[in-house]
Amino acid sequence: DAGVTQSPTHLIKTRGQHVTLRCSPISGHKSVSWYQQVLGQGPQFIFQYYEKEERGRGNFPDRFSARQFPNYSSELNVNALLLGDSALYLCASSLAQGEGTQYFGPGTRLLVL
Amino acid sequence: ELKVEQNPLFLSMQEGKNYTIYCNYSTTSDRLYWYRQDPGKSLESLFVLLSNGAVKQEGRLMASLDTKARLSTLHITAAVHDLSATYFCAVTDDYKLSFGAGTTVTVRA
Repeated sequence: DAGVTQSPTHLIKTRGQHVTLRCSPISGHKSVSWYQQVLGQGPQFIFQYYEKEERGRGNFPDRFSARQFPNYSSELNVNALLLGDSALYLCASSLAQGEGTQYFGPGTRLLVL
Repeated sequence: ELKVEQNPLFLSMQEGKNYTIYCNYSTTSDRLYWYRQDPGKSLESLFVLLSNGAVKQEGRLMASLDTKARLSTLHITAAVHDLSATYFCAVTDDYKLSFGAGTTVTVRA
């Protein structure tokens, strides 16, 4: 069975641009969470979506937004990119909100110049 | 806000010896995870611990949970090179995971 997939794998942007990252959960999983992992640190929670609704939001500015589609895939959007947004962005899926292990995708490595 | 602390942050292991990584968390939680991350890669789930006294083992790794002490340990038996990676503990905090800073393990001959 396919695991969590993310695209693109790598991305280079300049300050002020916006970016869209994509995630497809494991088949049957209805909850998707996004995490930001800065080099040398543990992942930080950004958003959780379940049944296409935002169920939780971490301490990130409004430049970060996300959505979940009817097929449970998800997009993370970041506007007005800053150098500090350079990080590995991880998507995780689970069966339902608060249920079961969160399985992580390979991540999208974003570099902002 | 739930805090998760791991120690040590860096661990240089000698092949064949035993070591322990500690994970403390600040408030009650119903679930604790251990993940492994290889350089440049994503997180691989190792263990999920659900109750006080839970112990799980896989190969040379054994994880345990003491909910009263809010402490989990990851014990490595007879370290081998393949175990070189960064290990994270994470605790469920309502709908999200709160991670420790990670323990970077290097196994030397």
